[in-house]
Amino acid sequence: DAKTTQPPSMDCAEGRAANLPCNHSTISGNEYVYWYRQIHSQGPQYIIHGLKNNETNEMASLIITEDRKSSTLILPHATLRDTAVYYCSYSDSWGKFQFGAGTQVVVTP
Amino acid sequence: DAGVTQSPTHLIKTRGQHVTLRCSPISGHKSVSWYQQVLGQGPQFIFQYYEKEERGRGNFPDRFSARQFPNYSSELNVNALLLGDSALYLCASSLAAGRDYEQYFGPGTRLTVT
Repeated sequence: DAKTTQPPSMDCAEGRAANLPCNHSTISGNEYVYWYRQIHSQGPQYIIHGLKNNETNEMASLIITEDRKSSTLILPHATLRDTAVYYCSYSDSWGKFQFGAGTQVVVTP
Repeated sequence: DAGVTQSPTHLIKTRGQHVTLRCSPISGHKSVSWYQQVLGQGPQFIFQYYEKEERGRGNFPDRFSARQFPNYSSELNVNALLLGDSALYLCASSLAAGRDYEQYFGPGTRLTVT
C-alpha cells in the first residue's frame, strides 16, 4: 500500500500562513490527495482534496506537484483554532483512505 | 443538518466480551466506513459499505464484522475483545463510494477494554 510522509510537528505564528508538506511518492495516477485535521481526538474534519490541479476553498489551498509525488496544504492566515493534527491521505477507487501519523500543528499567539 | 452520529460515546468492556457500535450517516449518504484509531496514530481503515454491500476490508481479524442496514445506518461488531482493541472507533459517511467523494467523520466511540 502507498504511504504518506509528513513532518511530525510544526509551529506557526498566528496570522501567518502555514505550509504543511506531504510526500506521497507511490500514489497512483487516479488516487486523490485528501487533507483532514483532527482536534482533541474528535472525528477528523475534511479540509480539501484534489487530483492534479491546485485547489482552493474557504479553509485552505492545496498545491500538488506536477509529478504528484508531493503536495502542500496552505492555511493562509492561521488562527489559534487551527491548532490540530493534520493528516494527508489518499483514496483508492472505492474511497478507502490511508492515513499516516499526521503533523501536529501548534499555532502560537 | 445533522452530521454523522455514533453511539455510544464511551464504552468500557472486559476481555473476551463482545461489543456493538452504531453509526448513523448524514442524510442522503449511502456509504459508511469504519476506522480504528489507537492513541497517537492516524485512523486505520476497517470496513467500507455501500448500498448495504461490503466494498472494502482492512487488515483486521475476523473478530471484526460489520453490516449496513436499509436506512444506511451501520453497526460494527467486535467479538472476543482484547486489550489491544482499546481505541477510538470512527465512522465516516459519504454520498457514494469512490475516490472523489469526501468522507465526513462522526465524533467516534471511545472503547476501553480492561
